[in-house]
Amino acid sequence: QSALTQPASVSGSLGQSITISCTGTSSDIGTYNYVSWYQQHPGKAPKVMIHEVSKRPSGVSDRFSGSKSGNTASLTISGLQSEDEANYYCSSFTTSTTLVFGGGTKVTVL
Amino acid sequence: QLHLQESGPGLVEPSETLSLTCSVSGGSIDIGKNYWGWIRQPPGKGLEWIGNIFYSGSAYYNPSLRSRVTISVDTSKNQFSLELDSVTAADTAVYYCARSDYDSWNGYWDYFDYWGQGILVTVSS
Repeated sequence: QSALTQPASVSGSLGQSITISCTGTSSDIGTYNYVSWYQQHPGKAPKVMIHEVSKRPSGVSDRFSGSKSGNTASLTISGLQSEDEANYYCSSFTTSTTLVFGGGTKVTVL
Repeated sequence: QLHLQESGPGLVEPSETLSLTCSVSGGSIDIGKNYWGWIRQPPGKGLEWIGNIFYSGSAYYNPSLRSRVTISVDTSKNQFSLELDSVTAADTAVYYCARSDYDSWNGYWDYFDYWGQGILVTVSS
């Protein structure tokens, strides 16, 4: 299975909004709404920020939102803050009953 | 609060078998509401899903690793384990164990909500 496609890096200024895309195929994102997004700071375990395309776990800021159109999912971070600087990964359940991650996006806060 | 902890050797010789165990505390592994998974991350690289297992022993694996991977569960010890055969330097990574949310109605698993801290395993002679 091929990894989902994410941009290597995205940057934005404090307070701005950024969007990270995650492109898959009809065998994963295009078929299921089991798309998740993870935030990972250096040396730490990943933390789920969004699941089932747009659901936020308890405790996650409402500045994080998710959406999906066709084979592409997106994560939007509004009101960018310094603590949002991290790597972000998307994942999706697949028609082969497996899970696939994206290659990761480094978010830089300018 | 659920807690997961990986354990095992930090150094494995090439061609040998990598064996790791994930101990779960603060919750039971056999309540049937979750799958339990292994994910790895080579130094400086992205996440790679290795596989998931249900308390019954039903397991699913990454096709690229399937020929070398075995995930097992021991409900009496509240643990699950990973074995990766014939390792090479490319298997050097931080290995995480995690709990996966499970949609029992549809039979699909979703996100990983609890993660261990990760354990670095280096393959080298």
